[in-house]
Parts: sequence; structure tokens; C-alpha cells
Amino acid sequence: EAGVTQFPSHSVIEKGQTVTLRCDPISGHDNLYWYRRVMGKEIKFLLHFVKESKQDESGMPNNRFLAERTGGTYSTLKVQPAELEDSGVYFCASSQGTPTYNEQFFGPGTRLTVL
Amino acid sequence: RKEVEQDPGPFNVPEGATVAFNCTYSNSASQSFFWYRQDCRKEPKLLMSVYSSGNEDGRFTAQLNRASQYISLLIRDSKLSDSATYLCVVTHSNYQLIWGAGTKLIIKP
Repeated sequence: EAGVTQFPSHSVIEKGQTVTLRCDPISGHDNLYWYRRVMGKEIKFLLHFVKESKQDESGMPNNRFLAERTGGTYSTLKVQPAELEDSGVYFCASSQGTPTYNEQFFGPGTRLTVL
Repeated sequence: RKEVEQDPGPFNVPEGATVAFNCTYSNSASQSFFWYRQDCRKEPKLLMSVYSSGNEDGRFTAQLNRASQYISLLIRDSKLSDSATYLCVVTHSNYQLIWGAGTKLIIKP
């Protein structure tokens, strides 16, 4: 069974540019999550989709970040315009359905560097 | 104050030794508890869930103390392959994982 995949693995952009990260969850997983680890800090939750709906976006840092999951399959996370402090590793995870907690499986992450 | 606190280490431990990590959490409403392992430049992977009754998986034993809001992980007979960062994670009523910053473990031959 294929795991969670993320694209690209690395992205280097200049401040002010736009970047779009993609996540393909494990097939059949309704729950999809985005997390971020900024250098030297702990991993932090960004948001949670259930199918195509945003269940919880309380961790999104500001309105420069936009996440979508059209059709309830893959998800994109767009940063526009990127700032220096957005640099870090962005992880996507997926899990099976509600209502009880199920293990979240993580993708390899996208390492974003904003210059 | 961080919601989940861990000693960042590194813990330098000889192969074959026993090592223990601790973690404290501040929110008494926390419901589920986990230890994740993360290798350098890789994604975190679930090592084990943590229950009040304590649970064991081979050389690994995890324990939860709700009264003290304290989670522990014990690794016996450590192997070189155990070298990694160990992340303490809790959840509340939603599905957000709340992470500690991790404890780095280095097993030396």
C-alpha cells in the first residue's frame, strides 16, 4: 500500500514569491492534516480536513496560507506571498475515519526555504 | 510555557544500556498520548501509544501518569539503530497532535 506522498521534496524561493505544496494521502483516508516544523521549534498543527471540508484550521498562521482539498483526495497548501519566517518542513499526514482517534501516517515532508 | 515539555538532550548512551525519557504536559484535558520517533531528515513515525496501565512493545515500555501529567519511555538493551529523536505527543478532544520538541538519543558502539 502506498504511503502519504508529498511534492516537492524541497523548494527554494525568494521572499514575496508563491509556493504550492501538494499532499496525496493514503487511499481511503478521509482525514488529512498539515503540520509544520520551523527550525529549532516543535512540530505544530496547521489544519485538518475531513474529506473536502476544513474541520479545524486553528493552526494556520495567517491569511497568506491557503489550503484546499478539492474532491476530498489530494490537498494543496499555498503560501502567497512567502516570507522568511515561513521556512521550515511542512508535513502532511492522513488517517482513517471518525469518530475515534486513528493513527496519523506522515509523508516525508516538503522542506521550504525562503530567501 | 510549552504545552508538552521534553529534555532536548542529546542523551549519549552506550550500546546495550537502558535509557529513559520523560515528558510532561500541561493540559489536564489531554486525552491520548504517544511516542513518535523521527530519524534525521525523515518524517515522524508512531513508536507506540501510551496508556495509564503502561504498555510494552519488545524493548520499549511506555507509561502514563495522569495525576502528575507525566509520560515516560524506557528503552532496554539499546541498539545503534535506536539513535533518533523521540517525540512526545498528546491530543485533546480534536485530532490535532500537540508535539514536544523531541529528545535526541545517540547510541554509541
